[in-house]
Amino acid sequence: SQKIEQNSEALNIQEGKTATLTCNYTNYSPAYLQWYRQDPGRGPVFLLLIRENEKEKRKERLKVTFDTTLKQSLFHITASQPADSATYLCALRDLSGGYNKLIFGAGTRLAVHP
Amino acid sequence: GAVVSQHPSRVICKSGTSVKIECRSLDFQATTMFWYRQFPKKSLMLMATSNEGSKATYEQGVEKDKFLINHASLTLSTLTVTSAHPEDSSFYICSARGTPYYNEQFFGPGTRLTVL
Repeated sequence: SQKIEQNSEALNIQEGKTATLTCNYTNYSPAYLQWYRQDPGRGPVFLLLIRENEKEKRKERLKVTFDTTLKQSLFHITASQPADSATYLCALRDLSGGYNKLIFGAGTRLAVHP
Repeated sequence: GAVVSQHPSRVICKSGTSVKIECRSLDFQATTMFWYRQFPKKSLMLMATSNEGSKATYEQGVEKDKFLINHASLTLSTLTVTSAHPEDSSFYICSARGTPYYNEQFFGPGTRLTVL
């Protein structure tokens, strides 16, 4: 069956450390994968998109990797701050299966403690 | 990035009434818009996809007569919850994709619907 899983429903880290969030998928062939941030009671905010032929993408303190062999994407926040506390969602688009829509993982709730 | 707005942000209505939620792309042309529903601490559930000028495509299990979607222009889509019941209470979020953002998908801030 097809699955997209973000392990760790919740992740607690100390301020200043690097947060690493994982997104694994099964039985999809994503053309690209996106990461979003969602705060309580708000819509998701787009952060980064990485294509299947890209290994890594960076934006300020954020870094995303994409390994199509492992079927995994990692999302890193370096020098984390309490303001980074939120739920982070990964989503993929698999064009081959006719899924011309984003399919979301359940999200990882990150808490950065001072 | 692009901006998507939603109105209203919060609505409370009586059971049996209809509620309309608007979604606008403010600085780009949204050729495709999406409507999602989200329950507390759960991920987003896609309800329907609409292309400008066409009928919406609904996901399995979503009643099209209950959730009416109109995408009449490249900047506006509406979701009307007809004859709302308490079980329709949820967080509704719209999303848009289009020119010049062909791959990225941008979300509105969401609408909290409470049906009494």
